Order: sequence, then structure tokens, then C-alpha cells
Amino acid sequence: EVQLVESGGGLVQPGGSLRLSCAASGFTFSSYSMNWVRQSPGKGLEWVSYISRSGNIIYNADSVKGRFTISRDNAKNSLYLQMNSLRAEDTAVYYCARDGKSEGDFDNWGQGTLVTVSS
Amino acid sequence: EIMMTQSPATLSVSPGERATLSCRASQSVSSNLAWYQQKPGQAPRLLIYGASTRATGIPARFSGSGSGTEFTLTISSLQSEDFAVYYCQQYNNWPPVYTFGQGTKLEIK
Repeated sequence: EVQLVESGGGLVQPGGSLRLSCAASGFTFSSYSMNWVRQSPGKGLEWVSYISRSGNIIYNADSVKGRFTISRDNAKNSLYLQMNSLRAEDTAVYYCARDGKSEGDFDNWGQGTLVTVSS
Repeated sequence: EIMMTQSPATLSVSPGERATLSCRASQSVSSNLAWYQQKPGQAPRLLIYGASTRATGIPARFSGSGSGTEFTLTISSLQSEDFAVYYCQQYNNWPPVYTFGQGTKLEIK
């Protein structure tokens, strides 16, 4: 069974940093591209970052470019999101999501971790 | 950025009836469209990818259609567990700039 388990969320002050982790199991992690997707409280879904299977191709949404960095460790079956210069508008539940068969759809999601940016 | 617009925002349907949800793209996304279901407190679940292919384990009462800019998700006979929020998502871009619709809330009439 595919499992994605996020951790690392919490309360952080504006301008602060946080590192999210996603532990993957039940599949060959290195064979899949991965993504981070977020959802602000009571709002819709926003794609945040993409990383290829080997980690050599990375893309970010304009809203986080220059502030967030996605990475992965295939030996540890783990995905990461380093978030710097956090803003109130970054408050959201952050999901890690596996690329699906069409490579762009997301066929498995973690349960999410809540990041709250507030003073 | 490709904008995705879903309609209606809320749809009230009785159990056993058919529900039809719409999604429109601001420019052609070919068949690079997915549908997701999200229940309160849960992560989204993939229903449909490639505009019309059901994901693993998704019941046959869910079907997707369309291409280009107009897409439809149909639930043929609503079950109690189908009442949720539904999102469409396009993934036509490369480099990826994936975008979601704002969602349609399917509620019990």
C-alpha cells in the first residue's frame, strides 16, 4: 500500500523558516516524480513545487519562487520542502503528492501537515 | 497561467440521481485534465486522469469527458459517500504550472 506521511508543520513567525518532510513507503520512490500542493484554510488547491525522479529537475510556482526549495533523498525514500521568508499567505495545509500515470496528475496524497504563519 | 473555472460552485442533488459537474480551461489543455474528490478533513483523491480514464479503484459510476477547454465529470447515481467537493486540475504545461479549479461542492438535496 502506498503511504505518504508529511511532518514538520507548525506555527512560525513571518519571515521565519520551516522544513517539511514526506516519508514514502509501499512503492519504489525513486521511480516517481513528486510534488508539494497546498490548501489555504477553507480555500482551494494550489500546486507549489515539482521534482523529477532523480532530483535534477525542479520547478516552483511563481508564488514561492526564490523562497521555497524542494528536494529529495531517494536512499531515505523522503521528500522535503524548505520554506524560507514565510508570509501570512503561506498559511496552509501542505500535501506531498505522487505523480500519476499521466505525469501531471497526482495519484497518491499524504494526509497533509499544517503550516501557520503568524506573529 | 491557464485558469480553470468550475461550475456550479454548489450543486444540490438527491441520492440516486445524476450529477454533472463542469470545468472550463482558459486555453486548450488537450486531454491533460484530472478530477479529484475531497471530503472534509481528508486529502484529495484522484478520480479521473487524461480527462476520461478512471483511476485505480474508482467506481464505474464516475465518468469524465471532454477535451480542449470543456470538461465534464458525471456521477451516474449518487451514493451518500459521493457528497464532497470536486476539483479539476490541468497539467498541460511543461515546465509544469499546474492549476486547479476553485471546486464544486456537491451537497445532498
